Amino acid sequence: EDKVVQSPLSLVVHEGDTVTLNCSYEVTNFRSLLWYKQEKKAPTFLFMLTSSGIEKKSGRLSSILDKKELFSILNITATQTGDSAIYLCAVLIRGKLIFGQGTTLQVKP
Amino acid sequence: DTGVSQNPRHKITKRGQNVTFRCDPISEHNRLYWYRQTLGQGPEFLTYFQNEAQLEKSRLLSDRFSAERPKGSFSTLEIQRTEQGDSAMYLCASSLDRGRANTEAFFGQGTRLTVV
Repeated sequence: EDKVVQSPLSLVVHEGDTVTLNCSYEVTNFRSLLWYKQEKKAPTFLFMLTSSGIEKKSGRLSSILDKKELFSILNITATQTGDSAIYLCAVLIRGKLIFGQGTTLQVKP
Repeated sequence: DTGVSQNPRHKITKRGQNVTFRCDPISEHNRLYWYRQTLGQGPEFLTYFQNEAQLEKSRLLSDRFSAERPKGSFSTLEIQRTEQGDSAMYLCASSLDRGRANTEAFFGQGTRLTVV
């Protein structure tokens, strides 16, 4: 059965800290891995990763995929309270997205 | 607003009633997905469409759930004889599938269903 596992499930840090969120997967017919941020309602898109070893960056956020070891990480540097959210990892297989359970990040002032 | 639109935003219904939700995807997107999300969990796949064709439906999905996308544009999700366990956020997403290349899926704001 296709599976996406995120860790940790929750994390509390202080402003300015750097965090690393993990996503591992066991799937067949992998196409891409996507990261989303969910604050209150709709998940909003962060990154789509298709190739191994190529880092994608957007401001303080970055992500990389390792297709050999079947995982991805999402890094957030110099965290701010506005980064508090659920971070979702999803794998695109056979046309559909399979999500992990999410990592809840709380950034304290 | 040219994003994914879902209606209604909230629905409270009595157990045993039928409910229908609507999703209007981004106009040029040919893929449309339905997900269900409960507190503390990631979105759970329900079904998805390529244009008007329903390509896959989750094996976990009860026969009480049905979805349509009659003209390949908007979609409806109907739940018949609702149960308290159906209480959840129902999310719709759309994307553009170009064969070997895909764009990311964009989500609507969701419909929160409460079955009392």
